[in-house]
Amino acid sequence: AQKVTQAQTEISVVEKEDVTLDCVYETRDTTYYLFWYKQPPSGELVFLIRRNSFDEQNEISGRYSWNFQKSTSSFNFTITASQVVDSAVYFCALSEAASGGSNYKLTFGKGTLLTVNP
Amino acid sequence: GAVVSQHPSWVICKSGTSVKIECRSLDFQATTMFWYRQFPKQSLMLMATSNEGSKATYEQGVEKDKFLINHASLTLSTLTVTSAHPEDSSFYICSATRRNNQPQHFGDGTRLSIL
Repeated sequence: AQKVTQAQTEISVVEKEDVTLDCVYETRDTTYYLFWYKQPPSGELVFLIRRNSFDEQNEISGRYSWNFQKSTSSFNFTITASQVVDSAVYFCALSEAASGGSNYKLTFGKGTLLTVNP
Repeated sequence: GAVVSQHPSWVICKSGTSVKIECRSLDFQATTMFWYRQFPKQSLMLMATSNEGSKATYEQGVEKDKFLINHASLTLSTLTVTSAHPEDSSFYICSATRRNNQPQHFGDGTRLSIL
């Protein structure tokens, strides 16, 4: 069974600080995908990144960066120079083929509430 | 980017009412749509997976007769909460994907409050 653990329930930082959100996953599949989504107070889910299990290259997109390490089953997310608008719940998710079918189901972690204070 | 529209965004109704929520992919054909439920300060829990033209696949513990899902076209899926009760109050959110292993794009969600 697949599982995603986001150990940090809430994080509070001051604007311009760097912050790292942790994500640890469990899966028996060799082929899987990892995602990060942002959910602002308005509720919609915003797709941030997808990474497949064969690509361990770290990625940087503006102030966002992701560190994927298969050896530790982690996919951590770092926001550099945080801003108030970054305040949201961030979800890490794992997708692998559903047993007996071809649909890729997402399993979400419990989310980390990030509050960036001015 | 891919856009998924969900309607209505907010519903308040009396106990016993049936409520229909629509999920539309606006700029792509969605072979698969997913329905999730999210309680306050909790994670998203998958309720069912819907493939166009076939019956939805429900997750364990989700009542098929309670949560009716229809995916009649490649751009529209509906979730009907039948005879809703206060315990059905939640945030319901759909997602759509062009094909397997592609990122899911989410609607803005529907807040359902049953009085």
